[in-house]
Amino acid sequence: GALVYQYPRRTICKSGTSMRMECQAVGFQATSVAWYRQSPQKTFELIALSTVNSAIKYEQNFTQEKFPISHPNLSFSSMTVLNAYLEDRGLYLCGARDSGNTGQLYFGEGSKLTVL
Amino acid sequence: GEKVEQHESTLSVREGDSAVINCTYTDTASSYFPWYKQEAGKSLHFVIDIRSNVDRKQSQRLTVLLDKKAKRFSLHITATQPEDSAIYFCAAATSSGQKLVFGQGTILKVYL
Repeated sequence: GALVYQYPRRTICKSGTSMRMECQAVGFQATSVAWYRQSPQKTFELIALSTVNSAIKYEQNFTQEKFPISHPNLSFSSMTVLNAYLEDRGLYLCGARDSGNTGQLYFGEGSKLTVL
Repeated sequence: GEKVEQHESTLSVREGDSAVINCTYTDTASSYFPWYKQEAGKSLHFVIDIRSNVDRKQSQRLTVLLDKKAKRFSLHITATQPEDSAIYFCAAATSSGQKLVFGQGTILKVYL
């Protein structure tokens, strides 16, 4: 079956440092990967949508300079939170879409970021 | 852009009763409507979805209804069990399904 592994599950970092998270699709080809953030007590906001062989599209309020994403092949994507501050804390999810499926996103377990 | 409103922030039901969670959306181009469940401290788990070519979809105790005219869709859970307790998120996306816009979430509590 389709699985998405996301790691690390939890990171505690000092204010101003960076955190990199990775997303691995297993059992399917992830033609697109969406990165979301759930801030404390809030819903999921789309950060960016990455499609292989296309430019990464960032949503308003999120930039490549702050959240650089790499999506080099159909099974792997990574995102870094640069210069993390308190407002960056939350649960970061990657959702990978199966090229053979008709729309369903498979989500990883999430990377929880705590900023001290 | 698309906005998804989830009407019930909290819902408490007795075990065995039914629960209904309602969502509305704004973009008439949206045609894919999934539901996800989030248990405490965990990620999103896919529950059920519906596409705009149908107005009803059932999977065991779950039924999703879609009213395209009213731009409204709902999740119905029958014979609720304590393990149904979680936060439920509705979402909407256009046909490509690329970009999901989530509702704010509904905390469902099933009590004995």
